[in-house]
Amino acid sequence: EPEVTQTPSHQVTQMGQEVILRCVPISNHLYFYWYRQILGQKVEFLVSFYNNEISEKSEIFDDQFSVERPDGSNFTLKIRSTKLEDSAMYFCASSDIHEQYFGPGTRLTVT
Amino acid sequence: RKEVEQDPGPFNVPEGATVAFNCTYSNSASQSFFWYRQDCRKEPKLLMSVYSSGNEDGRFTAQLNRASQYISLLIRDSKLSDSATYLCVVNRYSGAGSYQLTFGKGTKLSVIP
Repeated sequence: EPEVTQTPSHQVTQMGQEVILRCVPISNHLYFYWYRQILGQKVEFLVSFYNNEISEKSEIFDDQFSVERPDGSNFTLKIRSTKLEDSAMYFCASSDIHEQYFGPGTRLTVT
Repeated sequence: RKEVEQDPGPFNVPEGATVAFNCTYSNSASQSFFWYRQDCRKEPKLLMSVYSSGNEDGRFTAQLNRASQYISLLIRDSKLSDSATYLCVVNRYSGAGSYQLTFGKGTKLSVIP
């Protein structure tokens, strides 16, 4: 069964450093997403991506965040200058239309 | 009013019990509806989509009432493996190829032997 994969599973970084989180969506899906979940809180939408551009972003997705689909398979989330409050699980998801399938997540710890 | 509201639980039930989860949503423009399950520190996994006509998948039955903006999930004959957090999720199409999921905080279920 096809699945979304993410790397790394855990990333530890110092405040102010840049991080890139990587995702390989399901191959025939056209819509890609990033969500985050702070420990103990609900899953929150960050950004959606379709046809090689951002289609919607939330208030959380400020200028420190960017997404890219550098080739036909990868989908990345970059945080330019991490803050302590960026510590969370980051989930990538992909969908054909309605049903979104999530990757296993990257746990980001900012120290 | 929260966009998607669920009883946080926890629901502690014996094996074999029937348990029901309820959810309300505030955005009447929501277009599709789902139940996901999430195990501790894992990703949300799609359990089932929810349709107005109601739908069933084995021991799981989901219902949607658009007029009341209410979604439910019924689990019959609970198994130990059903222990997880159940997330009520609504999907809104906001144009330009964007489908945005809004999650509830989830209801924690513990099935006890």
